[in-house]
Amino acid sequence: ILNVEQSPQSLHVQEGDSTNFTCSFPSSNFYALHWYRWETAKSPEALFVMTLNGDEKKKGRISATLNTKEGYSYLYIKGSQPEDSATYLCASLRDSNYQLIWGAGTKLIIKP
Amino acid sequence: DGGITQSPKYLFRKEGQNVTLSCEQNLNHDAMYWYRQDPGQGLRLIYYSQIVNDFQKGDIAEGYSVSREKKESFPLTVTSAQKNPTAFYLCASSVLQGVGENIQYFGAGTRLSVL
Repeated sequence: ILNVEQSPQSLHVQEGDSTNFTCSFPSSNFYALHWYRWETAKSPEALFVMTLNGDEKKKGRISATLNTKEGYSYLYIKGSQPEDSATYLCASLRDSNYQLIWGAGTKLIIKP
Repeated sequence: DGGITQSPKYLFRKEGQNVTLSCEQNLNHDAMYWYRQDPGQGLRLIYYSQIVNDFQKGDIAEGYSVSREKKESFPLTVTSAQKNPTAFYLCASSVLQGVGENIQYFGAGTRLSVL
């Protein structure tokens, strides 16, 4: 079983500040890396799917980068807002059978 | 609205009892998944199905059973053989298109507790 690690486990950020956190995954037999946002009392929702080394994706104030050679991805949030408070999950596609291996998530709390 | 519906939201199981969690999707997705979440851990795959009448064990299938008689439905039964069933259960679905492109869409989850 692949191990996907996320750090930090939780993060408190002042409103307006920018922040980032990390997802580490085994670099061998890489297929894809997914990022999801999970707000309290809601369902997880996909943010990005990245497949190529050097990929950078952006959605509004949130962006992500991918390094498949060293096995890590960063998620960046610029100018954090209260609505960014959520748990951010990353998952690595373990094989061509569409199964994802999930990290434990980074819980982000934005302080007003 | 298109989406995934899980029911019930909360479920209590008595000792020795089997309970069934419902998952229905109207997204016309081929693949469906059941995950278990425990505090401090990532989602763990229990079972998945890519086609009607076929399903595969995930990493923690022991004590669970599933069926896929219809494309829209993928119920999970937590049997009495599952000795530690207290957890949050999430159902998801996805299309099957090109390795890596299968974003998963999730239901709102079922929280199962043991009485």
